[in-house]
Amino acid sequence: QKEVEQDPGPLSVPEGAIVSLNCTYSNSAFQYFMWYRQYSRKGPELLMYTYSSGNKEDGRFTAQVDKSSKYISLFIRDSQPSDSATYLCAMKDGYNFNKFYFGSGTKLNVKP
Amino acid sequence: NAGVTQTPKFQVLKTGQSMTLQCAQDMNHEYMSWYRQDPGMGLRLIHYSVGAGITDQGEVPNGYNVSRSTTEDFPLRLLSAAPSQTSVYFCASSSTPYEQYFGPGTRLTVT
Repeated sequence: QKEVEQDPGPLSVPEGAIVSLNCTYSNSAFQYFMWYRQYSRKGPELLMYTYSSGNKEDGRFTAQVDKSSKYISLFIRDSQPSDSATYLCAMKDGYNFNKFYFGSGTKLNVKP
Repeated sequence: NAGVTQTPKFQVLKTGQSMTLQCAQDMNHEYMSWYRQDPGMGLRLIHYSVGAGITDQGEVPNGYNVSRSTTEDFPLRLLSAAPSQTSVYFCASSSTPYEQYFGPGTRLTVT
């Protein structure tokens, strides 16, 4: 079983829609939860991160972590064509500084 | 400030050849990593380093070597290329527990 599971999509939505992206995980030691955005033929870039449980909001983006269910989500409000990219969730525990575990990524297409 | 740079951008190798993928960062980050990205597999950690002179294996280290003689550079060596090593390789550096800065990637094809 993979440490982190993520639906690969693709997910296609009209401009202005609310998008929900999700990941599940199996390792209860994970403490840091990140979302990266990757445009085609580019390296991933950090979008948001959450430490432990709870919600975090940044503009049109909201990240949620439910540790009891081992489930994390990223919500995008008022989606724009420029949001079209692959979204990768990533997680790590609090001990191994450099060992990140990534989901396989969900490809999102926002249609004008 | 160039961030994380990788060379080459593209490479084609024949089975059995060796090569080195270069990675450099100018942010004075202690932590650096190499990943490979394959369709449907996400990013998988190959090797990582927590400082000059210190390296360790990640999830998929077989067939790859690394060294870290300076803070800035973290080259990845393919010892004897195999078709299974066809992938996109990303180098990353970090100074916090949650954020990694990725390079633009190297697209490698092994025939």
